[in-house]
Amino acid sequence: EVQLVQSGAEVKKPGESLRISCKGSGYIFTNSWIGWVRQMPGKGLELMGVIYPGDSDTKYSPPFQGQVTISADKSISTAYVQWSSLKASDTAMYYCARLVSIDYGANYFDYWGQGTLVIVSS
Amino acid sequence: SYELAQPPSVSVSQGQTASITCSGDKLGDRYVCWYQQKPGQSPVLIIYEDKKRPSGIPERFSGSNTGNTATLTISGTQSMDEADYYCQAWLSTTAGVFGGGTKLTVL
Repeated sequence: EVQLVQSGAEVKKPGESLRISCKGSGYIFTNSWIGWVRQMPGKGLELMGVIYPGDSDTKYSPPFQGQVTISADKSISTAYVQWSSLKASDTAMYYCARLVSIDYGANYFDYWGQGTLVIVSS
Repeated sequence: SYELAQPPSVSVSQGQTASITCSGDKLGDRYVCWYQQKPGQSPVLIIYEDKKRPSGIPERFSGSNTGNTATLTISGTQSMDEADYYCQAWLSTTAGVFGGGTKLTVL
């Protein structure tokens, strides 16, 4: 059974750093892209970026380039997103999801993690 | 940048058919998928490749995509279908765009 298990909720202060994680199991972790999706309170889904754990190739959506760092440790089947200096506007639920990538462009996220709530408040 | 537009809300009477649209420039040239998200839960894939249903998704969910508009249709809508629905299209292998989401209310 494919599972993506995310790390627990975090409460941080502005300016602090943070790394949250997403551990995959039940499939070959290095063979599928993993995406990170932000959902701000009461708002919609936003794709932050994707990473291919096999070679750590990473692509960022333009609004998130330079704002976060996505990484992966294939030895422990875990993907990460990290912030070096959090802002209050980073308060959101963050999801990881497995990307099915089809040659002819029919991509989709088939499995999602349970989400990690990040609250940034002074 | 590429944008997908969805109506913020759609209402439907129980047992009737609900249609949720997703509009984008030449969207019919791309593949669209749809996710359902209930309050406090992670999104769930309900349609991929415009009209295919993953295992376990009821047949009352169907999709189409032509021209500039993709449509998610829910036939015989049930109260359990009340949720937020998001479309998604991919500009490249790794660049995906979500629609703004539609809140479906079942009356």
